[in-house]
Parts: sequence; C-alpha cells; structure tokens
Amino acid sequence: EAQVTQNPRYLITVTGKKLTVTCSQNMNHEYMSWYRQDPGLGLRQIYYSMNVEVTDKGDVPEGYKVSRKEKRNFPLILESPSPNQTSLYFCASRPGYSADTQYFGPGTRLTVL
Amino acid sequence: GENVEQHPSTLSVQEGDSAVIKCTYSDSASNYFPWYKQELGKGPQLIIDIRSNVGEKKDQRIAVTLNKTAKHFSLHITETQPEDSAVYFCATRQPFGNEKLTFGTGTRLTIIP
Repeated sequence: EAQVTQNPRYLITVTGKKLTVTCSQNMNHEYMSWYRQDPGLGLRQIYYSMNVEVTDKGDVPEGYKVSRKEKRNFPLILESPSPNQTSLYFCASRPGYSADTQYFGPGTRLTVL
Repeated sequence: GENVEQHPSTLSVQEGDSAVIKCTYSDSASNYFPWYKQELGKGPQLIIDIRSNVGEKKDQRIAVTLNKTAKHFSLHITETQPEDSAVYFCATRQPFGNEKLTFGTGTRLTIIP
C-alpha cells in the first residue's frame, strides 16, 4: 500500500531533550516536507526536500533540523525542544515539486513540558 | 508572501443539505488550488483540486469553483452525509520556488443527522 508513515504517533517530552520524528514513504517520491498544525493557524511548512541531500527552510524552521540521506526517509530533529514546539506534526510527500497530489502521513502529536 | 483566508471556521448543516466553504488568496500568481479533508486522528487527504485555467470541477457530490479575478475559490458539498464530518483545508500553490502549498486555517464541518 502506498503510504507515508511517521513515528512516533504520540510523544510527551521535556524541555531540552533531543528528539527525532521519523518519516518514511514507499512511493519513490522526490519531494518531501514537514508541516506543523496549530489551532487557528492551519498547516505551516517547516522544512522541505526536493531530493536526496537537498533540503531547505520553509516558513517556520526555527528550532528544527532535517536530513535527507535516503530518498524514502526524511526525519525531523528537535535538538532542544521548547514548549512552543508543542504541536501536531505532519510529514508529506509528492512525486516531484511541481506534481499535484501530495500525500500526508498520519501525524505526530508532540507535547513539550 | 501568499495569504489564504478560509471561512467559516465552523459549519453545521443538516444531513442532506449542501455545505459551502470559501477561501480567498492574495497572490495572483497562484495556479493550483487543492482541497484537503482531515478526519479525526488522520492526516489531510486530497479530495478535489482545480487549476487556474479551469473555472469549475466536479466529482460526484463535491465541486470546486474558482474566480481568478476576485481571487477566491469555494468547495461545494451537496447531499451531505455523516461521513462528510471532518476538517477541510483549502490551499494554494505558486509556480516558483519549491512550489509549496499555503494552507487556509481550516473549517470544521459537522453534519447533523
């Protein structure tokens, strides 16, 4: 089944404790991105990647890092999480940056205490 | 940058009635307008989209209309059913850069049986 998977689905952590949210897609898509969803703000892009080893900042990149060493994986790294990073995170992929249909993962709900 | 406004934020309709959600955007270069449905605990899923050279597109009970002059587009759901209850997001995409999607703030649609 074609899909985007994320792990973990739920995470509660404390301020300053490094964490990684994994994202994997099995559709051989070139373009992947991370979003955060907050009430009243919709989805905002954090980082994106057009292909392996090609990543760039989205609209809200502060406090996040990403890497794209393999085409299928695009992990989101929070080096020193803070409470304002408490949010619902979605990974997404699409065949290429100009392709239409974008597929989203199921989401990761992160709480930083 | 692009700004997408979505209204209403909540909408309740009787089962069988129609529902309309409207979005306005600011960047006249936007050329792709998708609508996503997000069910509880899941990631957004594309339900219909339209390109800037088309004024209307229909897929069974859902339709999208686009007015490029006024810079607004709308989602129409007819003969609503309980399974239509979800959060709906509109989005736009510009044909440059990483062609990221800019999302509206979402509409929570509730179908009353």
